[in-house]
Amino acid sequence: EAQVTQNPRYLITVTGKKLTVTCSQNMNHEYMSWYRQDPGLGLRQIYYSMNVEVTDKGDVPEGYKVSRKEKRNFPLILESPSPNQTSLYFCASSLVLKETQYFGPGTRLLVL
Amino acid sequence: SQQGEEDPQALSIQEGENATMNCSYKTSINNLQWYRQNSGRGLVHLILIRSNEREKHSGRLRVTLDTSKKSSSLLITASRAADTASYFCATLGGSNYKLTFGKGTLLTVNP
Repeated sequence: EAQVTQNPRYLITVTGKKLTVTCSQNMNHEYMSWYRQDPGLGLRQIYYSMNVEVTDKGDVPEGYKVSRKEKRNFPLILESPSPNQTSLYFCASSLVLKETQYFGPGTRLLVL
Repeated sequence: SQQGEEDPQALSIQEGENATMNCSYKTSINNLQWYRQNSGRGLVHLILIRSNEREKHSGRLRVTLDTSKKSSSLLITASRAADTASYFCATLGGSNYKLTFGKGTLLTVNP
């Protein structure tokens, strides 16, 4: 089944404790991206990747890192999480940028 | 920066009625996409309409695009309670190829 998977789905952590949210797609998509969704602010793009080893900042990249070493994986790294990074995070992929985005199920993060 | 802006922010209708949501944007686009999100879940793609297209249909969904007015509308005909969800438009910039989502319209269909 074609899908985008994210892990973990729910995470509670404390300020400053490094964490990684994994994202994997099995559709051989070139384009992948990360969004955060907050009430009243909609979806905002954090980082995106046009292909392996090609990443770029979105609208709200501060406090986040990404890497794209393999085509299927695009992990989101929070080196030192802070409470303002409490949010619902979505990974998405598409064949190429201009095409339909396929979203993962979301990761709900709470930083205390 | 937000490009697409949906209108209205919330819409409540009865089952069987039609629902219309609008999306306005500010700069040139390559395409415009509509997505649906059930509460707290991932977004699901509905329709992608390219800048040289004016109308597309998919089942009970009809999307129009007016590039002169920089606006799009999503029509859901004969709505069902299961259509209750948030609906987002996303624009792919014509020059910067940046995909930007609006804040969404919350549709409630009452049985």
